[in-house]
Amino acid sequence: EPEVTQTPSHQVTQMGQEVILRCVPISNHLYFYWYRQILGQKVEFLVSFYNNEISEKSEIFDDQFSVERPDGSNFTLKIRSTKLEDSAMYFCAGCGQGGEKLFFGSGTQLSVL
Amino acid sequence: QQQVKQSPQSLIVQKGGISIINCAYENTAFDYFPWYQQFPGKGPALLIAIRPDVSEKKEGRFTISFNKSAKQFSLHIMDSQPGDSATYFCAALLTGANNLFFGTGTRLTVIP
Repeated sequence: EPEVTQTPSHQVTQMGQEVILRCVPISNHLYFYWYRQILGQKVEFLVSFYNNEISEKSEIFDDQFSVERPDGSNFTLKIRSTKLEDSAMYFCAGCGQGGEKLFFGSGTQLSVL
Repeated sequence: QQQVKQSPQSLIVQKGGISIINCAYENTAFDYFPWYQQFPGKGPALLIAIRPDVSEKKEGRFTISFNKSAKQFSLHIMDSQPGDSATYFCAALLTGANNLFFGTGTRLTVIP
């Protein structure tokens, strides 16, 4: 069964550093998402991406965040200058039809020290 | 504003019992209500979903009950098994808005 692959599984960084989280979505998916989950809390929407552009973003997704799908396969989330409160599990997700039947990756645990 | 409210936060059920998790939503324009199951260290996985034109959907031991007038929906797990122990999230979507709103999650423990 195809799956969404995320790398790395864990990322530790110093506050103020840039991080790039990587995702390889399922090949026939058209919509891509980043969500995050702070430990023990709900899953929060960050951004959706369709047709090579952001289609929707949340208040969390400020100017420090950016997304890219540079080569038609990888889908990346960049945090330009990490803050302590960015520490969370970041999930990439995708689907064929907008919003429904999301397939999630296993996540990248980001720890900002 | 919390678009989707979920309860209880945690639930302990004996093997063979019925697990019931409840959700309430705010926006009457939501038209797709999925439930996701999450095991530790894994991403959420779609379990079952319903649209508001039906009041119930059943897939195996999992049933969603939907009450449109009350803006509530619930997940029932019949004959609960230890392997069902996971965190369950309800969610709601406004088709076209491209953004799932998740509930806060329920940690289910099924005791053998």
